[in-house]
Amino acid sequence: DTGVSQDPRHKITKRGQNVTFRCDPISEHNRLYWYRQTLGQGPEFLTYFQNEAQLEKSRLLSDRFSAERPKGSFSTLEIQRTEQGDSAMYLCASSFGDRGAGANVLTFGAGSRLTVL
Amino acid sequence: AQSVTQLGSHVSVSEGALVLLRCNYSSSVPPYLFWYVQYPNQGLQLLLKYTSAATLVKGINGFEAEFKKSETSFHLTKPSAHMSDAAEYFCAVSDRAQGGSEKLVFGKGTKLTVNP
Repeated sequence: DTGVSQDPRHKITKRGQNVTFRCDPISEHNRLYWYRQTLGQGPEFLTYFQNEAQLEKSRLLSDRFSAERPKGSFSTLEIQRTEQGDSAMYLCASSFGDRGAGANVLTFGAGSRLTVL
Repeated sequence: AQSVTQLGSHVSVSEGALVLLRCNYSSSVPPYLFWYVQYPNQGLQLLLKYTSAATLVKGINGFEAEFKKSETSFHLTKPSAHMSDAAEYFCAVSDRAQGGSEKLVFGKGTKLTVNP
């Protein structure tokens, strides 16, 4: 098991372009999370999947953001019409567990850094 | 809503000295609490977690944390700092009382520098 993989590691784009990030979780993990981290801040929750179902979304996730996990394995996070304020590190994490069953230990990927010019 | 406060965005210690990183949470019900460490260009790695068993929790790399309900604190300590401990440390909370929210709320982080 190679852990949680994210691709690309770095993305530079111009304002107004669309970008997509991919996350491959640990294979036996049924939960997948997206977080965003800006400079000097801790990770902020964006959204969470259990298998293919998107169960929770943050108000931070504007209409320009969409996340999918179509087969309950890998996930994509797309940002449409990027803005400079979208520049951040996008972190993916995965875990195994049942809803509400208890403490949820997340394994994080190294992140995808987005720079919007 | 849950929140976590980490006092001190930067902490500097000498090699061999005590490491103390502070974390306070806001919750009316004892939550689950975590400390994660982030090394440059790497993902966050779990150091330790509190889930209502022993109040003194031991983690990896010689770190430990004590849950104090009366102080709503979960401070991270290590008796003797190593150069390899230089990293950014994040405290996080999960609200078990909600029974359904699976998100972690993170503090802003504390960057630890270890001087030779």
